[in-house]
Amino acid sequence: EAGVTQSPTHLIKTRGQQATLRCSPISGHTSVYWYQQALGLGLQFLLWYDEGEERNRGNFPPRFSGRQFPNYSSELNVNALELEDSALYLCASSDWRGGHNEQFFGPGTRLTVL
Amino acid sequence: AQTVTQSQPEMSVQEAETVTLSCTYDTSESNYYLFWYKQPPSRQMILVIRQEAYKQQNATENRFSVNFQKAAKSFSLKISDSQLGDTAMYFCAFMKLKGGADGLTFGKGTHLIIQP
Repeated sequence: EAGVTQSPTHLIKTRGQQATLRCSPISGHTSVYWYQQALGLGLQFLLWYDEGEERNRGNFPPRFSGRQFPNYSSELNVNALELEDSALYLCASSDWRGGHNEQFFGPGTRLTVL
Repeated sequence: AQTVTQSQPEMSVQEAETVTLSCTYDTSESNYYLFWYKQPPSRQMILVIRQEAYKQQNATENRFSVNFQKAAKSFSLKISDSQLGDTAMYFCAFMKLKGGADGLTFGKGTHLIIQP
């Protein structure tokens, strides 16, 4: 069974640009979560998508947004990039509707903002 | 809001020894889950073990077991017969259940080093 996949592995952008990160959940999982792992700040919850809708978001500005597609894959968009957005962005999926609340993580996308 | 505290930034033990990682949390929720995740140098987060708050029995997964003390809001991880491959960052995580699985709240992590 394929795990959670993310693309790209690395992404280099300049300040002010937009970044788009992609995530494919485990087959059968309807929920996708995004986390930011920045140096010194630890792992922080960003967004939760389920059944195509945003269900919850963490304490991040609106320039962090995303969507979930009908096949449950997801996209995270970061607009007006700032230097402090440099981080590892992790995607996770779960099958909570099936009674399984564990979140399984992808390998991450390393975003570097210059 | 929930908080998760891991008071040991780094621990080092010899191979084959037993090691216990500490985690405390604070919440007003009564229905929640607790997890331990492992993040090796490859950066891939791997689920180690989970515990439902309503279950009194401590979870075990092979060499990994937890000591869950709900009243004390404590959730420690014990690794028996430690192996070199156990070297990693270990994160304790909390998830409340309110209409569905929510985002995880993580501790700052403990860097565990297994010495040969």
